[in-house]
Amino acid sequence: EAGVAQSPRYKIIEKRQSVAFWCNPISGHATLYWYQQILGQGPKLLIQFQNNGVVDDSQLPKDRFSAERLKGVDSTLKIQPAKLEDSAVYLCASSLVTGYPREQYFGPGTRLTVT
Amino acid sequence: QKEVEQDPGPLSVPEGAIVSLNCTYSNSAFQYFMWYRQYSRKGPELLMYTYSSGNKEDGRFTAQVDKSSKYISLFIRDSQPSDSATYLCAMILSRSGNTGKLIFGQGTTLQVKP
Repeated sequence: EAGVAQSPRYKIIEKRQSVAFWCNPISGHATLYWYQQILGQGPKLLIQFQNNGVVDDSQLPKDRFSAERLKGVDSTLKIQPAKLEDSAVYLCASSLVTGYPREQYFGPGTRLTVT
Repeated sequence: QKEVEQDPGPLSVPEGAIVSLNCTYSNSAFQYFMWYRQYSRKGPELLMYTYSSGNKEDGRFTAQVDKSSKYISLFIRDSQPSDSATYLCAMILSRSGNTGKLIFGQGTTLQVKP
């Protein structure tokens, strides 16, 4: 079974530029999560989708971050404009909708450096 | 105060040692307690989880939850160099009315030396 795919793996941008990350979840997983993991910290949930709908985006900085999940499969996370403090690893995870707690399967992440 | 506190380490032990990793938490509504392992440049992977208080064993790994003290532990017996990774505790509120959102500790970096 293929895992969660993310691209790009690494990205370096200057502050005030924009950037987008892509995630392809495990086939059949209706729930998709985006996390931000700053160096030396645990992952923090940014947004959770179930199919196309947003379940939780309470910690998403909506003035600069946006995310979408078209057709309930792939998802993109965008930052515009980026700030230095956005330097982090952005992890995508997916899970089934059945059972509780739902086991989340993580992708390898995209390491973003903002200079 | 963070909801979940975890000593970041690093923790360095010789091969074969027993390792103890710990987290404390402040929200008494947490009901599910997970341990994730994260290798360098990889995403976290679930090791095991426990519901409410008690112990759970899986091979060389044992998870313990003490809800009265708001304290959880992961023990690794006969540690191996391949256990070298960052260990993250995570917690979830009870099922009722919640989305299953994971709240992570900051992770403890473990190095097992041959």
